[in-house]
Amino acid sequence: GDSVTQMEGPVTLSEEAFLTINCTYTATGYPSLFWYVQYPGEGLQLLLKATKADDKGSNKGFEATYRKETTSFHLEKGSVQVSDSAVYFCALSPLSYNTDKLIFGTGTRLQVFP
Amino acid sequence: DAGVIQSPRHEVTEMGQEVTLRCKLISGHNSLFWYRQTMMRGLELLIYFNNNVPIDDSGMPEDRFSAKMPNASFSTLKIQPSEPRDSAVYFCAIPKGGGPGNEQFFGPGTRLTVL
Repeated sequence: GDSVTQMEGPVTLSEEAFLTINCTYTATGYPSLFWYVQYPGEGLQLLLKATKADDKGSNKGFEATYRKETTSFHLEKGSVQVSDSAVYFCALSPLSYNTDKLIFGTGTRLQVFP
Repeated sequence: DAGVIQSPRHEVTEMGQEVTLRCKLISGHNSLFWYRQTMMRGLELLIYFNNNVPIDDSGMPEDRFSAKMPNASFSTLKIQPSEPRDSAVYFCAIPKGGGPGNEQFFGPGTRLTVL
């Protein structure tokens, strides 16, 4: 079945460092792909999305490119800030037209230190 | 998202007590998801409603858990009797628009502690 695999955390970085959080997926066809962010004590918020191959989603300095050939959707940011400390979830939306379900990865905690 | 309101935000109860978690949708929606999040198991889908009918409840842990969506603006998740292992943060979420490929909006969650 459809699934999402993302790197284990925590990822610990100094402020202004480059961030990559890896995400790969298994799915039939071309699902939509998402990155969600969860700040401490809050619910999940959509960070960015891509709906077809080679699309690049971007928001708040974060980017991810839908790579069909490698079935990946890695999250990147050129210079992280302390305020980016959160848990990041990769997710996909299956192509089934009977459901709005999302399939989430296990989440990756990012800790950014000054 | 401001359109999804959960109550209570925090609940502390004793083992064996009944717990009811509530989710209110400001604009109403035909679909709704309940999730549970713990450190050990991460984010788990408990149940999914479409047109106010439970479509997939395979994630509901056991008979102690039940959920209803009596109308497009309201849903409840009930645990009876509660156990310490039910301690978690529970989220409800709604999809944006209809059909596949759409993101979900999450409520702020209810943190449940069962002593």
